[in-house]
Amino acid sequence: NAGVTQTPKFQVLKTGQSMTLQCAQDMNHEYMSWYRQDPGMGLRLIHYSVGAGITDQGEVPNGYNVSRSTTEDFPLRLLSAAPSQTSVYFCASRPRGAANTGELFFGEGSRLTVL
Amino acid sequence: RKEVEQDPGPFNVPEGATVAFNCTYSNSASQSFFWYRQDCRKEPKLLMSVYSSGNEDGRFTAQLNRASQYISLLIRDSKLSDSATYLCVVTRGGYKYIFGTGTRLKVLA
Repeated sequence: NAGVTQTPKFQVLKTGQSMTLQCAQDMNHEYMSWYRQDPGMGLRLIHYSVGAGITDQGEVPNGYNVSRSTTEDFPLRLLSAAPSQTSVYFCASRPRGAANTGELFFGEGSRLTVL
Repeated sequence: RKEVEQDPGPFNVPEGATVAFNCTYSNSASQSFFWYRQDCRKEPKLLMSVYSSGNEDGRFTAQLNRASQYISLLIRDSKLSDSATYLCVVTRGGYKYIFGTGTRLKVLA
């Protein structure tokens, strides 16, 4: 009963390093998304995808890349990490037609620190 | 101005009290409305959807006023286990979820 799985749970990077946060879901959800959560800012949408091969930008996309080659996976790439990207990152998914029911299924989060 | 505004709290209430949270949203094109609950250092989880007709789930009642662009959550007979942060969420375009910063509730024994 995995649901949405994020790895790694914790990561420390140096400024300028690159890394990929992994997100996988086993519920056959077509919609997947990435958020970052910062104190006083709430969760902010970074990128989302409505199906394999389709991605779009959210509220704060700069500094992040995504791709969606399979229904199950939606990795988030930081190409050159900056201290401003220190945050808690959440991946979330839902079935495609569930816009009105609203239930996003979240992973447990990935805590990233950029020094 | 944030698109979804909430009083951050904290609201400290005794067990058994009734507490109400409010949320306002600025975009009249917002389509769907929800309350999520987030425990400390955990992921958010859906508490309930919010409709203009109002809806109730046990001790929780949610209400939407589209004319005033205002959403509310009422918790009756508060339990210690209700201590959490409550997130107001609206959607646009079916795919963009806009979260408020959350209202922190602490229920005291």
